[in-house]
Amino acid sequence: EDQVTQSPEALRLQEGESSSLNCSYTVSGLRGLFWYRQDPGKGPEFLFTLYSAGEEKEKERLKATLTKKESFLHITAPKPEDSATYLCAVGDNQGGKLIFGQGTELSVKP
Amino acid sequence: GAGVSQSPRYKVAKRGQDVALRCDPISGHVSLFWYQQALGQGPEFLTYFQNEAQLDKSGLPSDRFFAERPEGSVSTLKIQRTQQEDSAVYLCASSSDYSNQPQHFGDGTRLSIL
Repeated sequence: EDQVTQSPEALRLQEGESSSLNCSYTVSGLRGLFWYRQDPGKGPEFLFTLYSAGEEKEKERLKATLTKKESFLHITAPKPEDSATYLCAVGDNQGGKLIFGQGTELSVKP
Repeated sequence: GAGVSQSPRYKVAKRGQDVALRCDPISGHVSLFWYQQALGQGPEFLTYFQNEAQLDKSGLPSDRFFAERPEGSVSTLKIQRTQQEDSAVYLCASSSDYSNQPQHFGDGTRLSIL
């Protein structure tokens, strides 16, 4: 059964303190791994898609990496506006649905 | 262009009432998805459409849940005889295909069953 586990559940950082969020997954056939950001009261906002092990993508202070078993979202020198819940999801090759993790709630204090 | 639009944003209903939630996808997107999100959890898949065809409804929790997309554009999620456990945020997403393109989400409908 496809499964996604994110850690930690919550992360508090000081502004400028770099860190990483983890997404471990098991999937029968990986179609893609997706990272989303979700602000309170809003829908998930797409950040990255990773398709194969070794792939990396960057956007501003965020960098996503992928191995055969997990993905990391690295946050470099975060700012308070990076505070949000970060969701990881996998799509398998059996259809269109995404399987989401429970999310990591990131809080960045000035 | 406009993103995915959902209405209403908030819905309060009494237990036993029927509710209908609407989703307007991004124009031209052939695939449309419904998810349910409980507080503090990630979204859980309910069902998806490619154009007007419902290709997967394996996530619908019971036969009280019904979704349709008759003209391959707007979709409606209907819940009959609502129960308290149906209280959640219902998210709609659309994508330009069902495989590798990312799904883009609306802001959801928050459903509260009293």
